[in-house]
Amino acid sequence: SQTIHQWPATLVQPVGSPLSLECTVEGTSNPNLYWYRQAAGRGLQLLFYSVGIGQISSEVPQNLSASRPQDRQFILSSKKLLLSDSGFYLCAWTGLARSTDTQYFGPGTRLTVL
Amino acid sequence: QKEVEQNSGPLSVPEGAIASLNCTYSDRGSQSFFWYRQYSGKSPELIMSIYSNGDKEDGRFTAQLNKASQYVSLLIRDSQPSDSATYLCALRMDSSYKLIFGSGTRLLVRP
Repeated sequence: SQTIHQWPATLVQPVGSPLSLECTVEGTSNPNLYWYRQAAGRGLQLLFYSVGIGQISSEVPQNLSASRPQDRQFILSSKKLLLSDSGFYLCAWTGLARSTDTQYFGPGTRLTVL
Repeated sequence: QKEVEQNSGPLSVPEGAIASLNCTYSDRGSQSFFWYRQYSGKSPELIMSIYSNGDKEDGRFTAQLNKASQYVSLLIRDSQPSDSATYLCALRMDSSYKLIFGSGTRLLVRP
């Protein structure tokens, strides 16, 4: 069965510090991978998605970036965090075929920028 | 106009009642529809997916899809306090890798 991991689970960072969040998927190959952010009491905002190694599509222009160095690894980064970057960061994966197009979410990383 | 609309709630129902959650969408090219449940502080978990017009039942949950009227709904029978959560409606349009999510409806089941 497929499993998706995220770490760290929680993070408190000062404004202006760098960020690196990691997501890995087990039990599947060549998944589509997604990064979402959910601000407190708000809906899901799609940040990036990737359909393959090195292929990143950005949905929202901001100070965040994403990379996919391996097939089942997706990394979200920032060089300098802003207060507005606080939120719940969720990684998700999905298969390629219609029968597997359900998105499954990881446990999330709660980021607080102070 | 938002692509996926949900009433934010809260929708309050007594224990044992039927909870009815609704979602409307604007794009007729939408192909796949999903309901997720999200407990406070947790990540969304899939309840059901539905692809064809009509009803799809899974235990206490029934998803209903009407593509002509552009709505999808989720019925929860015999609601339990443990069903209290935010329910997210999502859809995937044809030829898209992305899901579009509604902002969610908060359900409160009163004991």
